[in-house]
Amino acid sequence: EIVLTQSPGTLSLSPGERATLSCRASQSLRSSHLAWYQQKPGQAPRLLIYGASKRATGIPDRFSVSESGTDFTLTIDRLEPEDFAVYYCQQYGSSRVAFGQGTNLEIK
Amino acid sequence: QVQLVESGGGVVQPGKSLRLSCAASGFTFSNYDMHWVRQTPDKGLEWVALISYGGTNKYYADSLKGRFTISRDNSNNTLYLQVTSLRPEDTAVYYCAKDSSYGYAWFFDYWGQGTLVAVSS
Repeated sequence: EIVLTQSPGTLSLSPGERATLSCRASQSLRSSHLAWYQQKPGQAPRLLIYGASKRATGIPDRFSVSESGTDFTLTIDRLEPEDFAVYYCQQYGSSRVAFGQGTNLEIK
Repeated sequence: QVQLVESGGGVVQPGKSLRLSCAASGFTFSNYDMHWVRQTPDKGLEWVALISYGGTNKYYADSLKGRFTISRDNSNNTLYLQVTSLRPEDTAVYYCAKDSSYGYAWFFDYWGQGTLVAVSS
């Protein structure tokens, strides 16, 4: 069972800055089996990026992902006020799904 | 547009059973695998189950096997989750989610608003 560990737990930034969110897998993971979600208070999660680097419908190109071994990074350029939310990574493998515990991106 | 509307949540006593429903619209329901995902403040997001588009194949989270049953009615565009022997730790917001149909991986491209299940005596 793959465990996803997200860091930091909370990230405090200002609008216009760049956010870098990390998701570390406990074992090797195909980037094509990883996704990222955004969740705002009182709302369901929203799919951002999946299958290595595909952006979901309506997601701007300010959102991008990269990988290095078992470390996956979500980068958000030029933070907008609507970007402040909780972000989750999610992996699929062998008919199983796991989520990271989330990173809270808050306004500084 | 895609809409998923869950119902059936509420306050339930431990040991009782509950059936959640999810009404789907805005897409061809019978063409897509569907999932249930739950969320708690303590454990965060937890995938519960998947049912294939035709209802033949079902998969469950290892920790939840036995008490949870996913099913669907394609003629009425509705997804179900039956939960038996409810425990306090089943207290969560339960979401239905549409599978993105991206290759063999399971991702969730549309979610309902969630229905809260609170297990308490």
